[in-house]
Amino acid sequence: GQSLEQPSEVTAVEGAIVQINCTYQTSGFYGLSWYQQHDGGAPTFLSYNGLDGLEETGRFSSFLSRSDSYGYLLLQELQMKDSASYFCAVPTGRRALTFGSGTRLQVQP
Amino acid sequence: EAEVAQSPRYKITEKSQAVAFWCDPISGHATLYWYRQILGQGPELLVQFQDESVVDDSQLPKDRFSAERLKGVDSTLKIQPAELGDSAMYLCASSQVRVHEQFFGPGTRLTVL
Repeated sequence: GQSLEQPSEVTAVEGAIVQINCTYQTSGFYGLSWYQQHDGGAPTFLSYNGLDGLEETGRFSSFLSRSDSYGYLLLQELQMKDSASYFCAVPTGRRALTFGSGTRLQVQP
Repeated sequence: EAEVAQSPRYKITEKSQAVAFWCDPISGHATLYWYRQILGQGPELLVQFQDESVVDDSQLPKDRFSAERLKGVDSTLKIQPAELGDSAMYLCASSQVRVHEQFFGPGTRLTVL
């Protein structure tokens, strides 16, 4: 089976940097994805790490350490519109995603 | 930009009634997923299709839920009879080759009274 642990809530101020951690336990590992979901909206894909290291996409970066079963999403230059829930997710062997319970990010002015 | 379409967006029903949700994936996406998301939790897979075939329905409560994708394009998820505990957001997603990148529709918010 798969299980993912991430903090339930994080608060930061505009312009700051925030890191959302994710630890996972999986029977097989195929990479770590991150999704963003605004209240009432659909999850949207942010980033994917198939190999160890850092992936950068604009203000967002994601890191993976397979030896530590750990990854994080780094959000820089926070904006109010970044207030949302962020989910880490792992594909199963059959290609569906198992999601963590989500981290609610509140960006304050 | 291509999107996953779902309808209805909202559905209110009474327990023991039947409900149905529809999903039209992005054109060309062979894999279609139905997820259920309870408020404050992550989405959980109900059923996965590859073209018209079911790949995984191990988490689908088959005594009351059914899903089909007859022509390998759009899909319908049905609940009969609905129970109070079925109140949730039902999300449809599709993917192509990049399985870690799934495209989600806007969802159907179901409320069972």
